[in-house]
Amino acid sequence: DAGVTQSPTHLIKTRGQQVTLRCSPKSGHDTVSWYQQALGQGPQFIFQYYEEEERQRGNFPDRFSGHQFPNYSSELNVNALLLGDSALYLCASSSPGNTQYFGPGTRLTVL
Amino acid sequence: GIQVEQSPPDLILQEGANSTLRCNFSDSVNNLQWFHQNPWGQLINLFYIPSGTKQNGRLSATTVATERYSLLYISSSQTTDSGVYFCAVGANFGNEKLTFGTGTRLTIIP
Repeated sequence: DAGVTQSPTHLIKTRGQQVTLRCSPKSGHDTVSWYQQALGQGPQFIFQYYEEEERQRGNFPDRFSGHQFPNYSSELNVNALLLGDSALYLCASSSPGNTQYFGPGTRLTVL
Repeated sequence: GIQVEQSPPDLILQEGANSTLRCNFSDSVNNLQWFHQNPWGQLINLFYIPSGTKQNGRLSATTVATERYSLLYISSSQTTDSGVYFCAVGANFGNEKLTFGTGTRLTIIP
């Protein structure tokens, strides 16, 4: 049984560009959450998707958007990249009444 | 929102030693998880423990919900235990957002 998968593993972009990160949830999970982890800090909640809708959102600007597909996979889009967007982006999946399981992350570097 | 504090921020121990990591949280929670983040960034689930005590091999955890703290115990440390340990809490069971602490960096020296 595959766990949560994310792609790509690493990504380098320049300021002002746009990026799309992808996540496939663990089998049987229908909820996907995205977190941003800056260097030396704990992960911070960006948003959560359930039934293809954004169910909850953290304190992140509208430059951060997402999507969930009918197969429960999800994308995180970030527009107009800033240097401060450099971080490890983590995806977590879960099913109702159960804990969240995390993928290996995508490390984004903005130059 | 809920505040989560972890202590100590750093811990360096000899292989074979025991350790206790603490997590304090500012409000009632229905979800508390402990994670180990390995050097490659992967967050590994250790315990789901909003209350009570659980054990898994050399690791055990206790959460006293009424006093808003949780403890993670690691016995007979091994070098593979090195990494950052995070406590994360949620106000609602299961699917709500997790609020993470700043972590405890554990280094086990051979």
